[in-house]
Amino acid sequence: NAGVTQTPKFQVLKTGQSMTLQCAQDMNHNSMYWYRQDPGMGLRLIYYSASEGTTDKGEVPNGYNVSRLNKREFSLRLESAAPSQTSVYFCASSDLTGGNTEAFFGQGTRLTVV
Amino acid sequence: DQQVKQNSPSLSVQEGRISILNCDYTNSMFDYFLWYKKYPAEGPTFLISISSIKDKNEDGRFTVFLNKSAKHLSLHIVPSQPGDSAVYFCAASSPGNTPLVFGKGTRLSVIA
Repeated sequence: NAGVTQTPKFQVLKTGQSMTLQCAQDMNHNSMYWYRQDPGMGLRLIYYSASEGTTDKGEVPNGYNVSRLNKREFSLRLESAAPSQTSVYFCASSDLTGGNTEAFFGQGTRLTVV
Repeated sequence: DQQVKQNSPSLSVQEGRISILNCDYTNSMFDYFLWYKKYPAEGPTFLISISSIKDKNEDGRFTVFLNKSAKHLSLHIVPSQPGDSAVYFCAASSPGNTPLVFGKGTRLSVIA
């Protein structure tokens, strides 16, 4: 029972490099999310996809792009990484966006930009 | 402006005693509240939730209380155990197509 799977688990990038964080869920959920966690800042929403084919900005979208590839997969792309993007990134999914529903999280990707 | 606030960054409690974690919110449209628990190097995991039509929800050692008029909720853990040591996030949801909003978290340390 995999739930939400993120790859990679760890990554070190140089400033200006690009990379894509992958996320897949096997719970047939409609909604998927990308959060970042920074010390003292809690979980901040980057982008979300309420359903296949739609994406919306969250609280901190600058410097990121997303793709909802299909119902299972939601990727996060950093086109030109900056040290300020050093963080732990979590993908999550839920049956619905909003309403009385819980979100399930992946194990996280620890990204360091040097 | 923070819609979900956890004003205590950390809390230390002795094993066997009660842990009380607090959360305040500002958005009166929130109608569903959740607590998540996070261990280091793991993703947050759902712990317990409460709908705004209730004022209390219990699950084993965990109880969440909701005071709508004060826009305040709390998580009680009784008795606290060393394995409860983690960061606890409060989250809130409103009707419609809006994602969960999280607080900044409270780090609970249960001392044996």
